[in-house]
Order: sequence, then C-alpha cells, then structure tokens
Amino acid sequence: AQTVTQSQPEMSVQEAETVTLSCTYDTSENNYYLFWYKQPPSRQMILVIRQEAYKQQNATENRFSVNFQKAAKSFSLKISDSQLGDTAMYFCAFMLYFGNEKLTFGTGTRLTIIP
Amino acid sequence: EAQVTQNPRYLITVTGKKLTVTCSQNMNHEYMSWYRQDPGLGLRQIYYSMNVEVTDKGDVPEGYKVSRKEKRNFPLILESPSPNQTSLYFCASSSTTTNEKLFFGSGTQLSVL
Repeated sequence: AQTVTQSQPEMSVQEAETVTLSCTYDTSENNYYLFWYKQPPSRQMILVIRQEAYKQQNATENRFSVNFQKAAKSFSLKISDSQLGDTAMYFCAFMLYFGNEKLTFGTGTRLTIIP
Repeated sequence: EAQVTQNPRYLITVTGKKLTVTCSQNMNHEYMSWYRQDPGLGLRQIYYSMNVEVTDKGDVPEGYKVSRKEKRNFPLILESPSPNQTSLYFCASSSTTTNEKLFFGSGTQLSVL
C-alpha cells in the first residue's frame, strides 16, 4: 500500500516571499503520478501541479514548481512570490500509473499568506 | 462547461435516517469515485467505479453504498447514517482512456446528529 506524509500541519509566510511545502511518500512501485492540490476556503479541490515519476524534469506551473527526488521519495512544492490568494489547504497526493485511478492523499498543510 | 455536480452542498440529518448524495458528470468519464475528508486525515476513498455496473470498495467503505446504473451518475447512499459519518464528501471523475486529471465536485458537508 502507498502512503503519503505531510509533516507540516500549518505554515505561514509574508506576501511576496517564497515558501516550500514538504511531502514524502512510500511505494514499492516504479510508475506513478504525484500531485499537489489546493483547497481554498470555498472547499473546491484545485489541481496545482502534476508530476509523472518517469520524468526527471521537475514540473512547473507559473509560480508553482516542485522538487521531485525519486530516490528519496520526496515531492516538495515551492510557491514563489506568494499572493494572498494562495492561502489554502494544500494536499499532496499519489496515484499509480497502472491502477484504479485512486488518489492517496496526505493529511494536508494549511498555508496562510500574511499581508 | 465540463463539471462534476454534487447535491446537496450541505446536509444535516439525524442518526438512522437514510440519505442519498447525488453526483453527476457531463464529460462521459468512465471512472467515478467518492472520497471523504476529515481533519487530520486528508481525503480517503470510499468507493469507486471503473464503468457502468462496475463498482468496488475503497479504503473506508463501511456504512456506505453506491450504484452505477448510468455512466453519468454515481450516487452515494447512507442507509443508516451515524455521527461518525459526519464529514465533507467529494465526488470525482476522470477518463481512463486519456489519463487526464481527476475532476472534483464542489463537496457535500454532511452532519449527522
């Protein structure tokens, strides 16, 4: 079975600064996807970024980038130039490439951007 | 607009009173799934369906039922709700052929008194 661990329950950062959210996972499989989801106060689950495990290059989406370390089973999210709208709960998630489309989630990190 | 629609968004009920949370998607997705979100536990899968008439248990199926009679609909049924089923519920869907992202509904906050 796969597990996902987010060791930072809460974080806060000043607006315009950079923040990194940590995520580690455990799996014996070699082919999988990793995701970061954002959940603002509206409760909507919003996909922030996706990484395929077979790709060595780290995924980037505008101000959001990941540091994917496959050997260490680490998948951190970096938010640059943080904005007030980034205030949300962030979930790291894992999905097997050949499986039942199931997402295994971490427990989340509540991020607050301070004006 | 491509979307997953859940109803209701909020529901308060009493122990033992059967309820159904509906989920519908307009993207012709084969795969649909239900998750529950609890503080400190993240989201956990309840049931999933790979296609019409094909359903299977997720990690926390006890106390829940589902059905998939039509491709677009995947209702979640609580036959005898209990307070430990108070939670935020999400329906999600995706295409198994294109391997695109999972689309989530807006969530249903359920309180069982």
